[in-house]
Amino acid sequence: SQTIHQWPATLVQPVGSPLSLECTVEGTSNPNLYWYRQAAGRGLQLLFYSVGIGQISSEVPQNLSASRPQDRQFILSSKKLLLSDSGFYLCAWSTGTAREQYFGPGTRLTVT
Amino acid sequence: RKEVEQDPGPFNVPEGATVAFNCTYSNSASQSFFWYRQDCRKEPKLLMSVYSSGNEDGRFTAQLNRASQYISLLIRDSKLSDSATYLCVVNSPYSSASKIIFGSGTRLSIRP
Repeated sequence: SQTIHQWPATLVQPVGSPLSLECTVEGTSNPNLYWYRQAAGRGLQLLFYSVGIGQISSEVPQNLSASRPQDRQFILSSKKLLLSDSGFYLCAWSTGTAREQYFGPGTRLTVT
Repeated sequence: RKEVEQDPGPFNVPEGATVAFNCTYSNSASQSFFWYRQDCRKEPKLLMSVYSSGNEDGRFTAQLNRASQYISLLIRDSKLSDSATYLCVVNSPYSSASKIIFGSGTRLSIRP
């Protein structure tokens, strides 16, 4: 069966510090991968998605970036965090476009 | 008009009651529909897909009305454990390459 891992579970970082969040998927090949952010009490905001290694599409221009160095690995990064980057970051995978997505446990980021 | 709209609630109903909520979508070309549930501070989890003829999974019934462009979720004999936010998800062929749009969710609270 397929599983998706995210780490860390929680993170507290000062403004201006870098960020690296990692997501890995097991049990499937060539998944579509997604990064979402959910601000407190709000809906999901799609940040990035990827349909293959090295293929990244950005949905929202901001100081975040994403990379997919391996088929089942998706990384979210920032060089300098802003207060507004605080939120619940969720990685998800699907078998294709317009298919159901399965989410990892998420990383709760607080920028202070 | 938002691509996917949900009543944010909260719906506050007694245990054992039947509760239903709808979700409207704007793109008549949408083909895939899902319901997710999200517990507080957790990741969204797929509850069920929604099929054209309607479908049932235990106490949960999902229906699609293409003419009026909405999907519905009915929960019978509600349990305390049904308390969560329910997210409506629709594919949107022309709006985003990721093709999946999440609603902001409907909060459901079941009281003893």
